[in-house]
Amino acid sequence: GAGVSQSPSNKVTEKGKDVELRCDPISGHTALYWYRQSLGQGLEFLIYFQGNSAPDKSGLPSDRFSAERTGGSVSTLTIQRTQQEDSAVYLCASSLVAGKGQPQHFGDGTRLSIL
Amino acid sequence: AQTVTQSQPEMSVQEAETVTLSCTYDTSESDYYLFWYKQPPSRQMILVIRQEAYKQQNATENRFSVNFQKAAKSFSLKISDSQLGDAAMYFCAYRSAGGKLQFGAGTQVVVTP
Repeated sequence: GAGVSQSPSNKVTEKGKDVELRCDPISGHTALYWYRQSLGQGLEFLIYFQGNSAPDKSGLPSDRFSAERTGGSVSTLTIQRTQQEDSAVYLCASSLVAGKGQPQHFGDGTRLSIL
Repeated sequence: AQTVTQSQPEMSVQEAETVTLSCTYDTSESDYYLFWYKQPPSRQMILVIRQEAYKQQNATENRFSVNFQKAAKSFSLKISDSQLGDAAMYFCAYRSAGGKLQFGAGTQVVVTP
């Protein structure tokens, strides 16, 4: 597809379970970003990948959160032992490179609900 | 650390009228980029306009324009000739050296017929 693709669109799970969220960036984009959008905290940066460089994990809220990007393309955000405060929309974005002026193109997000 | 402030939780505008959304930011950097994104109920963040800090000329994109005041660290968005399709949440964002975006809290734009 032409845009950033995220799956699933919605995910409902029980507290304590692990979840995996997937992001397929625009073809050729070397930079990939994860953000979280929640009612209480607004839009927060989580992590970003640029090519083969070490990812910037400075926004991950706890060690229950991790992300990987395989082959410089698809990325998976994993949340272990989910808590109710993890409920949010998780947005993925990609850009051609991580340069300041390059616009980030967003996917439709995954709405995660923790029961 | 950079902070982005949008002080207007909601703005209402009539069709065909003009509305201005305010955004201020705090940074010690001299070279950076600023963006306005639109988020309709579909959730997708759509880029509206961007401004390079080293350019004095204000960016424009069709009915959307910005008033960038670097010294005042202000970056307002003007929507002219408002249309029903402009109704959405608008986010101001600052892009730091590392590439990640710092967002404001957002302003909900309501367009009335």
